[in-house]
Amino acid sequence: QSILSLPPSASGTPGQRVTIACSGSSSNIGSNTVNWYQQVPGKAPKLLIYRNNQRPSGVPDRFSASRSGTSASLAISGLQSEDEAHYYCAAWDDSLNGPLFGEGTKVTVL
Amino acid sequence: EVQLVESGGGSVQPGRSLRLSCATSGITFDIYAMHWVRQAPGKGLEWVSGISGYNHDIGYADSVRGRFAISRDNTKNSLYLQMNSLRTEDTAFYYCVKSSGSYFQGNYHFDYWGQGILVTVSS
Repeated sequence: QSILSLPPSASGTPGQRVTIACSGSSSNIGSNTVNWYQQVPGKAPKLLIYRNNQRPSGVPDRFSASRSGTSASLAISGLQSEDEAHYYCAAWDDSLNGPLFGEGTKVTVL
Repeated sequence: EVQLVESGGGSVQPGRSLRLSCATSGITFDIYAMHWVRQAPGKGLEWVSGISGYNHDIGYADSVRGRFAISRDNTKNSLYLQMNSLRTEDTAFYYCVKSSGSYFQGNYHFDYWGQGILVTVSS
């Protein structure tokens, strides 16, 4: 079964660095690019990172990401209160022949 | 400004049908693949279906294949999702999503999302 695994939650105090790891397999992250989406409560998801490590215009450089093998990670540096949201990794899955989302990580700013 | 606006949601009994529409503006609609992504209340994101911009290649998640049908009308810059034989597990917010590429398959990302529309399937 194709799955992208994310921790259910992560937290930090303002100014801290938080890292979220996304674990996949050879059929998804291992052979395709990873995207990250941010969903603030009550809102639609928003593209945060595309093609493993690219930030769309308007996304602060506090957000960075990388991919290695069958895993990817998202880092938030200088955590701010407005970063409280759910974060989803996603990648095309060759077995499913469709995009696959991780179950999401809820980031809390303490 | 890019806008994706869903309509057609609501409450329906199991086994019935519903048709979602997505009106778009601010994009060259016929170039890009379009998708539907859903989110059950309090749950994560699930891809439902996608359709390519050029050749209208189509893909479905296993959970909806044979029951849902995606289509597009490039003359109206609109995307549709015909949902038949609805089940309680289809209850979710449905998002209309624009792809960064022309084909629904491959290494593209979802660069614009609609605000979502709620579909509730309940007896």
